[in-house]
Amino acid sequence: SQQGEEDPQALSIQEGENATMNCSYKTSINNLQWYRQNSGRGLVHLILIRSNEREKHSGRLRVTLDTSKKSSSLLITASRAADTASYFCATDLTQGGSEKLVFGKGTKLTVNP
Amino acid sequence: DTGVSQNPRHKITKRGQNVTFRCDPISEHNRLYWYRQTLGQGPEFLTYFQNEAQLEKSRLLSDRFSAERPKGSFSTLEIQRTEQGDSAMYLCASSPIGPKIVQYFGPGTRLTVT
Repeated sequence: SQQGEEDPQALSIQEGENATMNCSYKTSINNLQWYRQNSGRGLVHLILIRSNEREKHSGRLRVTLDTSKKSSSLLITASRAADTASYFCATDLTQGGSEKLVFGKGTKLTVNP
Repeated sequence: DTGVSQNPRHKITKRGQNVTFRCDPISEHNRLYWYRQTLGQGPEFLTYFQNEAQLEKSRLLSDRFSAERPKGSFSTLEIQRTEQGDSAMYLCASSPIGPKIVQYFGPGTRLTVT
């Protein structure tokens, strides 16, 4: 079963606009990550935020984490057509020393030129 | 190219046939993972190796599925007696030993069972 739920499921914006995607999860985590997947391809790691961090930046990406609400958001500023992809949050859990990542269902972002 | 590679990229097979996929991780990575992704869903964890030891398996990995990493380098995932429900993208990822758990994914093998 999947841990997280991304919201919205799909998002369509114009180039230059900001895109915000949200992720909610169910159980306590060590870290939360965001990955990007271009159509039919593998996933590319974007950014990792630890459970004791609240905000992190990387280039045009800004991630926030609210462990009390079990939620995270990914903001992409000044979007480009090349940002068109599906975005997934992934968590690694505190329980049992598991190494696996648990992914949400993803948000499909379309940036129109 | 020193990324994770997977072969074949696409596989079409008839129901009941056996298929085998191969994953070559990034050379210095000790950890190797297999995930399955169906259309419109996120990847779901199947199994995990540290070196040659298979340390974790999902309940999704039925007895028709077997994975190996015989020398702690490449890995194979075999599906016996394929079913239409096995149609999916099979993703391999690797990561180095260390506190971070960033995983580096290959391009995937898309399996279609007819």
